[in-house]
Amino acid sequence: SQTIHQWPATLVQPVGSPLSLECTVEGTSNPNLYWYRQAAGRGLQLLFYSVGIGQISSEVPQNLSASRPQDRQFILSSKKLLLSDSGFYLCAWSVLLGPAYEQYFGPGTRLTVT
Amino acid sequence: AQSVTQLGSHVSVSEGALVLLRCNYSSSVPPYLFWYVQYPNQGLQLLLKYTSAATLVKGINGFEAEFKKSETSFHLTKPSAHMSDAAEYFCAVRSNYKLTFGKGTLLTVNP
Repeated sequence: SQTIHQWPATLVQPVGSPLSLECTVEGTSNPNLYWYRQAAGRGLQLLFYSVGIGQISSEVPQNLSASRPQDRQFILSSKKLLLSDSGFYLCAWSVLLGPAYEQYFGPGTRLTVT
Repeated sequence: AQSVTQLGSHVSVSEGALVLLRCNYSSSVPPYLFWYVQYPNQGLQLLLKYTSAATLVKGINGFEAEFKKSETSFHLTKPSAHMSDAAEYFCAVRSNYKLTFGKGTLLTVNP
């Protein structure tokens, strides 16, 4: 069966520091991968998605970036964090099987920028 | 572009009462629709999905949703609420590779 991992689970970082969040998927090949952010009371915001290695689409201009160095690895990064980057970051995957290709979510990373 | 609107950011019910969470969609093509549940500090879990195979869709934990094209709705229901149903619920519509989510409805279950 497929599983998705995210780490770390929680992170407290000072403003201006770098960021690296990692997501890996097991049990499937060539998944679509997604990064979302949930700010308090603001629903889910799609940040990036990837349909293959090295292929990244950005949904929202910001100081975050994403990379996909391996088929089942998706990394979210920042060179300098802002206070507004605080939130709950969720990684998700989907595969093109059937008409719906629903997304499956990881456990999330709670980021607090101080 | 496809979108969904969830009516009511907060719904409160008594334990054992009917749960009704509302979702309306906007789509120029037949939509693929989803309901997800999120418990505090956890990721989203898929409850059910509509793929045009049947208008009444049954999901996990006793939830079901009915697709009504004439009303552009996909409301989520459960006949009898349990305390464990307290969570945030998100409706979503598929658009190409992506899902567009509603703003969520927080369900509170009172003893």
